[in-house]
Amino acid sequence: DAKTTQPTSMDCAEGRAANLPCNHSTISGNEYVYWYRQIHSQGPQYIIHGLKNNETNEMASLIITEDRKSSTLILPHATLRDTAVYYCIVKRDSGNTPLVFGKGTRLSVIA
Amino acid sequence: DSGVTQTPKHLITATGQRVTLRCSPRSGDLSVYWYQQSLDQGLQFLIQYYNGEERAKGNILERFSAQQFPDLHSELNLSSLELGDSALYFCASSVSPRYEQYFGPGTRLTVT
Repeated sequence: DAKTTQPTSMDCAEGRAANLPCNHSTISGNEYVYWYRQIHSQGPQYIIHGLKNNETNEMASLIITEDRKSSTLILPHATLRDTAVYYCIVKRDSGNTPLVFGKGTRLSVIA
Repeated sequence: DSGVTQTPKHLITATGQRVTLRCSPRSGDLSVYWYQQSLDQGLQFLIQYYNGEERAKGNILERFSAQQFPDLHSELNLSSLELGDSALYFCASSVSPRYEQYFGPGTRLTVT
């Protein structure tokens, strides 16, 4: 699976959009981009995933560049409860490939 | 609440002992995964089961074993415990290996 590069940490003001970037320049055509987050020591939480089209759900939006070498997770109106470590993971969607977690981005939402 | 349950929440035991961690997947999910999270190693995949069969193995030690039962719950057995095995152990489940995984709250294991 392709490796990902994320900033170590980011701050965001409460109520503003949080834009978390991820680089995955070696991504293959059959690899998806997944985002998970982990709040303190809780179990990781699935957020969203996509292949090449932009995706949106009730939690976030995922913007994938046309060349698929990078993506951005957008939390439209960040709250204090969004403070967490966010993981960008590239994974083949062909079955028995595990999630490989890197160090992620520690997002701090500030009041 | 992801729908994945894990017991116990906390476990304190001594070196050399053996423990069993239990996971119940979300209703309808056939795949179960185990992960270990320690301070120095981060979140690491251990093993995956699908409908009772082992499907993938990660960095799982030989002292560790797992199984998935006919009712789809899974158990992770850790034996000859060492101090370095102290970690959070997460179970996750998915409908099938092609779908997103949902994680349980974890079991915090402390080996003294």
